[in-house]
Amino acid sequence: QLQLQESGPGLVKPSETLSLTCSVSGGSISDDYYFWGWIRQPPGKGLEWIGSSYHVGTTYYNPSLKSRATISVDTSRNQFSLKLSSVTAADTAVYYCARLKTNSGFDYWGQGTLVSVSS
Amino acid sequence: QSVLTQPPSVSGAPGQRVTISCTGSNFNIGAGYEVHWYQQLPGRAPKRIIYDNTNRPSGVPDRFSASKSGTSASLAITGLQAEDEADYYCQSYDSSLTGSVFGGGTKVTVL
Repeated sequence: QLQLQESGPGLVKPSETLSLTCSVSGGSISDDYYFWGWIRQPPGKGLEWIGSSYHVGTTYYNPSLKSRATISVDTSRNQFSLKLSSVTAADTAVYYCARLKTNSGFDYWGQGTLVSVSS
Repeated sequence: QSVLTQPPSVSGAPGQRVTISCTGSNFNIGAGYEVHWYQQLPGRAPKRIIYDNTNRPSGVPDRFSASKSGTSASLAITGLQAEDEADYYCQSYDSSLTGSVFGGGTKVTVL
């Protein structure tokens, strides 16, 4: 059974960089056909796709984040990460990592981790 | 404003049928991209309950069904149960944004 687990600081200061890691177990991040993505959910609001990355090369981002997001995949550690720069209070959210198959949606999700942006 | 539009809330009595609409455009649903649906129970991560427009993953009750037509899709819950009270989201791919898009979510209340 595939499992995903987010980790990282729960509190980030404004203007700094948010960094999260998603550890994948029970399967290989190098499997073909799957992308690895980040989705966030501000308190009391809906889901927002941040970006998705294939294990080799291809990464797509939500244009609304205006190049602040970077997703990278580490196949040696079977994990992928998110960096979001220049954060503000509007970036306070529960951040989820998930596996995406393009014609099947996000089939496995992490439990989510709350990141608050505050001084 | 979400790219995919859902009603904020729907409600029904136990045993009734409710439907949730998801309206997109010719850049996403209307372009033929698949629609997927997720259930999010309070305080939990979303769970996929429909994929590729109409398919249920193993373990999802058959009271959940979905359809797609033109630039819209819909999720139906028949025989509504108390445990179905949750937020529901549709999701697809958008070619103008080159990525995944979610609906704004619909809260289902069991009266």
